[in-house]
Amino acid sequence: RKEVEQDPGPFNVPEGATVAFNCTYSNSASQSFFWYRQDCRKEPKLLMSVYSSGNEDGRFTAQLNRASQYISLLIRDSKLSDSATYLCVVIIRDNYGQNFVFGPGTRLSVLP
Amino acid sequence: DVKVTQSSRYLVKRTGEKVFLECVQDMDHENMFWYRQDPGLGLRLIYFSYDVKMKEKGDIPEGYSVSREKKERFSLILESASTNQTSMYLCASSPGQASFYGYTFGSGTRLTVV
Repeated sequence: RKEVEQDPGPFNVPEGATVAFNCTYSNSASQSFFWYRQDCRKEPKLLMSVYSSGNEDGRFTAQLNRASQYISLLIRDSKLSDSATYLCVVIIRDNYGQNFVFGPGTRLSVLP
Repeated sequence: DVKVTQSSRYLVKRTGEKVFLECVQDMDHENMFWYRQDPGLGLRLIYFSYDVKMKEKGDIPEGYSVSREKKERFSLILESASTNQTSMYLCASSPGQASFYGYTFGSGTRLTVV
């Protein structure tokens, strides 16, 4: 079983729709969580950290459920510019320090 | 803003050549990483470094080596390039205590080995 799993998609949604991505992780020692966004042929960029209490940044809401070991990202009122691949990232502490583990990403296409 | 610079955006090399991919960051970060990204496989960690002259193998180190002689520079070396090393290579850096800051990535080097 992979350490971090995501639905690969693609998710094709119309403008204005609400879309949710889930990410599951297998290591209960995971400490910190992020969502990254990657545009086609570009590098991943940090979208938002995920806090235990949940956090919101404009149209984006991130949630963490430690008991069930999953993270979610909700995008409200989708825009064409939201089209990208969304990567879930989990930090696991090992003997060397912190190890970032990336999910394979979920591709989103927002259609006009 | 933290800037992570990779020396080449696109690179074409021949099988058997020795290839150097350079990465420089300007924010005094302790940690630096090299990944490759392939369709369907996501980001895979090749090597990482938590300090100058320190290096550790990631998940797929075979066929690669690294060098970190200075804190700001982390080089990835393909000793003898092969066609299965054709990929997008991404360098990243993070502060020593990275829990709340995530990574910053370079813009990537798309390497083609022919």
